[in-house]
Formats: sequence, C-alpha cells, structure tokens
Amino acid sequence: EVQLVESGGGLVQPGGSLRLSCAASGFTFSDLYMDWVRQAPGKGLEWVGHIRNKVNSYTTDYAASVKGRFTISRDDSKNLLYLQMNSLKNEDTAVYYCARPRSGSGYYFDYWGRGTLVTVSS
Amino acid sequence: SYELTQPPSVSVSPGQTASIACSGDKLGDKYAHWYQQKPGQPPLLVIYEDNKRPSGIPERFSGSNSGSTATLTISGTQTMDEADYYCQAWDSNTVVFGGGTKLTVL
Repeated sequence: EVQLVESGGGLVQPGGSLRLSCAASGFTFSDLYMDWVRQAPGKGLEWVGHIRNKVNSYTTDYAASVKGRFTISRDDSKNLLYLQMNSLKNEDTAVYYCARPRSGSGYYFDYWGRGTLVTVSS
Repeated sequence: SYELTQPPSVSVSPGQTASIACSGDKLGDKYAHWYQQKPGQPPLLVIYEDNKRPSGIPERFSGSNSGSTATLTISGTQTMDEADYYCQAWDSNTVVFGGGTKLTVL
C-alpha cells in the first residue's frame, strides 16, 4: 500500500526557516519524481515544486512564488523527501502536501499525503 | 505563465448531470487531470489524461478535453459528490492547477 506521511509543520515567525519531511512507502521511491503542493487556508491548490530521480540528476523545478527561498531534496536510501523553507512569509501559511506524480503521457498525482500545516505568524 | 480557469461554483440536483469546465490556452493540446477534495481531506484523483478513471472511481465520473476547454462530467450526481474539484495540467516543466470549483448538490 502506497503511503506518504508528512511531518515537520508548525508555527514559525516571518523570516524564519522550517524543514518538512515526507516518508514514503509501498513503492520504489527512488524511481520516481516527487512533488510538494500547498493549500492556503480556504484557498485552492498551489504547486510548490518537484525533484526528479537519480536518472535525471535529481534536478528540481519550483513555482515562481517560492523560487530562491525553498529547496527540495531527497534521500533515496531512507525513502524521504524534504522541503527546506527559508525566508518564510505570512503568505506561505498553508497545508503542505507531498504527492506522488505519474509521468506517462501526462503528469498527475495519484497519491497524496494528508499534509502538514505550516503557520507563519509573529 | 500558463493559467487554468474554473467557475467558482456549480450547483446540481441529485440524480442530474454536473459539468465543470476548465479553460486554458490550447488546453486540448495538453492532458487535463481532475481532483476531488472534501473538507479536511487531501485531493483525490478522479480523472487523468483527459478521460481515464483510476481504479475505484465510479463510472459516473467522466472527462473530455478539446480546443481550450476540459470538462469534468458527473452523471447521476450523488450527495457524496459534493466537494471542491480542481483541474490540473503540465506546462513548461511546471504543474498548473485551476482555481477550483465548489460543487453543491441540492
């Protein structure tokens, strides 16, 4: 059974940093790209970014809203995905989801974690 | 940057057909995917690659995509289908979501 479990959320002051983790199980983690998606309270889904697999040199892409502040990394030996968030702003307040993409003809998410809440506030 | 536009809300009576549109520039040249999200839950994939249903998704969910509009259709809508629905596409190495549509079944 595929499982994605996020952790590391909490309250942080503006300008602060936080690192989220996503523990994956039930599939060959190292084979796949992995993504982060967020959802501000009462708002829609916003893609944060993704990291490719080793075959694709672990390269990353990010949404313009987080580029230069957020960094996605992974540890294939531990089946862990990370999101390092720096220079946090109030508008980064959201539930952060880890999502497993499928990238055949299209690129879509067939499994999602339950999310972890990040609150940026003074 | 690429944008997907959805109506904020759609209402339907139980047993009727609900249609939710998603528009974007030449969206028909890309694949459209759809997610259902109920309060307090993560999104659930209901349609992928325009018109394919994942295992476990009822047959009443269907999709189409042509020109600049993708459409999610729910036939014989049930009260359990009341939720937010998001379309999604892939463009220039980024994932794009529509703003979401709240489906009300009443």
